Amino acid sequence: DIVMTQTPLSSPVTLGQPASISCRSSQSLVHRDGNTYFSWLQQRPGHPPRLLIYKISNRFSGVPDRFSGSGAGTDFTLQISRVEAEDVGVYYCMQSTQFPWTFGQGTKVEIK
Amino acid sequence: EVQLVESGGGLVKPGGSLRVSCTASGFTFSKAWMSWVRQAPGKGLEWVGRIKSKSDGGTTDYAAPVKGRFITSRDDSKNTLYLQMNSLKTEDTAIYYCTTDDYYDSSGYHPGWVYWGQGTLVTVSS
Repeated sequence: DIVMTQTPLSSPVTLGQPASISCRSSQSLVHRDGNTYFSWLQQRPGHPPRLLIYKISNRFSGVPDRFSGSGAGTDFTLQISRVEAEDVGVYYCMQSTQFPWTFGQGTKVEIK
Repeated sequence: EVQLVESGGGLVKPGGSLRVSCTASGFTFSKAWMSWVRQAPGKGLEWVGRIKSKSDGGTTDYAAPVKGRFITSRDDSKNTLYLQMNSLKTEDTAIYYCTTDDYYDSSGYHPGWVYWGQGTLVTVSS
């Protein structure tokens, strides 16, 4: 199975400041069709997950442009340019390139 | 408005069975590939299984911990996805979410993990 490792696991941030979360996969996430099926999800307390970014860097409809994704192969990053109060929650990376689909452990973003 | 509504969760004894359902509305369910994802209390997300659309064969895939015990199926006439859970173990205790998976159809690529239900809690305990 592909192991997804996120760092940090906890990220206290000041409102208005940037935040960054890294995710590393144990093997390349490039699918044989040439796409990389790597996504970032946000889970606010008491809610189901929400898709933020798909295929590394594509922001899903309605997601604020302060969220951006980057990376390639095995190393990926989610950046929040200016953290807002509504961004508090747990962020998961996940891959759907190779079965079984796997998630990172989650990174808890909280306000300092 | 897109909705996924899970139901059927509850308390079951180890070794028992339970079927949870997920009823969809607001999108073309029959074309969608669907997955189940679970979340144990206070823990992270774990993918459980996937079913393709019938037009793509309706085949299923499962995570190792549930393979041979869980079966996912769909009834497109009812816009409903099912997860039959057998030989339940205490470690199956979790909120079970249904969600859309990645898929391609005639209109192109549809990213997965877009639509989620609110989840249904399954507790396995004696």
